[in-house]
Amino acid sequence: QKEVEQNSGPLSVPEGAIASLNCTYSDRGSQSFFWYRQYSGKSPELIMFIYSNGDKEDGRFTAQLNKASQYVSLLIRDSQPSDSATYLCAVNNMNRDDKIIFGKGTRLHILP
Amino acid sequence: EAGVAQSPRYKIIEKRQSVAFWCNPISGHATLYWYQQILGQGPKLLIQFQNNGVVDDSQLPKDRFSAERLKGVDSTLKIQPAKLEDSAVYLCASSLGGGLAAVTGELFFGEGSRLTVL
Repeated sequence: QKEVEQNSGPLSVPEGAIASLNCTYSDRGSQSFFWYRQYSGKSPELIMFIYSNGDKEDGRFTAQLNKASQYVSLLIRDSQPSDSATYLCAVNNMNRDDKIIFGKGTRLHILP
Repeated sequence: EAGVAQSPRYKIIEKRQSVAFWCNPISGHATLYWYQQILGQGPKLLIQFQNNGVVDDSQLPKDRFSAERLKGVDSTLKIQPAKLEDSAVYLCASSLGGGLAAVTGELFFGEGSRLTVL
C-alpha cells in the first residue's frame, strides 16, 4: 500500500466554484500533513501545512485533517484559472526526522 | 537570499551512459534532499542528508545511483549506467533541519534537472 494516495484527476471545476482535493495516508504515525502546488514544468511550492484535527484556513485555502480516518483534504474557494495546477499531498512521520513523502498529485483544471 | 541551485537544467544521454547532477542548497540549510519525479507522478525521495550524513537512502537504487554531500554543503547525484526508466526530473531541495520541515513542510526546491535517456 502506498503511503500517500491521491486521485490523479484531472479534476475540472468552474471558475468561482469550490475545488475539493482529497488525500489518504497509510501510516498512523504520520504527524504533519502538507499541500504543495506544482505548475507544469515548475517545482513544488508549499501552500499549507496542518497537524491538528479539524480545519485550518489561509485565504481562499482550507486544509482539513481527520486522523481517525487518515484523511486530508484541501478546499479552494472562489477558484481562479491561476489555480490550475497539480496539487501534491505530502506527509511526515515524526519518527523519521524531516522525511517528507509525496503522493502522486491531483491535476486541477479551473474552467473559465 | 539565493535559492537552491541545480545544474545542468537539461541532459540527454543514451542508455548505459553516466550522468551527474549538482546541487547547492540555501546557505545554512542542514538538510538536503534528492527527489526523482517521473512525468505524471509525485516526487519520490531518493536520499536525504543531514549535514554530510545520510538520513535515508532506502529508495535509492544503489546498484546504479550514488550521492554524496561534501562538507555538508553541495551535493552530487550520479547515475551509472543509466536506464530508460531513469528519465525524470531530479529535484534537489533543502530545509533548515532540526525537525522544522517535519512540522511545517517547508522545503525549498531548486528548478530541477530534467534527464532524458534514449
